[in-house]
Amino acid sequence: DIQLTQSPSFLSASVGDTVTITCRASRAIGTYLAWYQQKPGKAPKLLIYSASNFGSGVPSRFSGSGSGTEFTLTVSSLQPEDFATYYCQQGHTYPITFGQGTRLEIK
Amino acid sequence: EVQLLESGGGFIQPGGSLRLSCAASGFTFSDYAMTWVRQSPGQGLEWVSLIYSDGKHTYYSDSVRGRFTISRDDSKNTLYLQMNSLRAEDTAVYYCTKDLFCGGGSCVGAADWGQGTLVTVSS
Repeated sequence: DIQLTQSPSFLSASVGDTVTITCRASRAIGTYLAWYQQKPGKAPKLLIYSASNFGSGVPSRFSGSGSGTEFTLTVSSLQPEDFATYYCQQGHTYPITFGQGTRLEIK
Repeated sequence: EVQLLESGGGFIQPGGSLRLSCAASGFTFSDYAMTWVRQSPGQGLEWVSLIYSDGKHTYYSDSVRGRFTISRDDSKNTLYLQMNSLRAEDTAVYYCTKDLFCGGGSCVGAADWGQGTLVTVSS
């Protein structure tokens, strides 16, 4: 199975900051990488698919990049509603796998 | 508007069976691959199973293969997950998702998610 490792696992930031989350795959997955945001008690929401494409209705302060084994999610000018947990997911090879998650908390 | 409504969760003893359903609306159900994803309490997301739009190609995580069966009824716009030989570690919220695109052994991402249904396996 392809393992995804997110870093950091926990991130503390302030409103207005720019943060970057990294997702590393145990082997090359092309651009079959998606990012999700999950708030407590809610279902995840698709932010980015195919490494850099926006999900429906996703604000432009979210951006994704990368290919192969290293990917990043950047959130610019953090808003209060952005404090949540973020997951990466690879869809290159079954079984599909998720990263362990990055919890973004307000400082 | 896409809507996915899961049902069928509940409390079950180890070794028991449950069937989850996901009623879909707001899109042409038969055109899309569908997936089940679960999340144990306080834990991360775990992909469980996938079924292609043709209903013939199905895939499972190692942790559920041989115990769970995914299926779909396009006439009812409904996705199912038959769960047998349930274990305590199957306790989780189960989400139904609509995939953007799956084919050729790969998927792009899950565009829409239901609200989830909780399955608790305990004696």
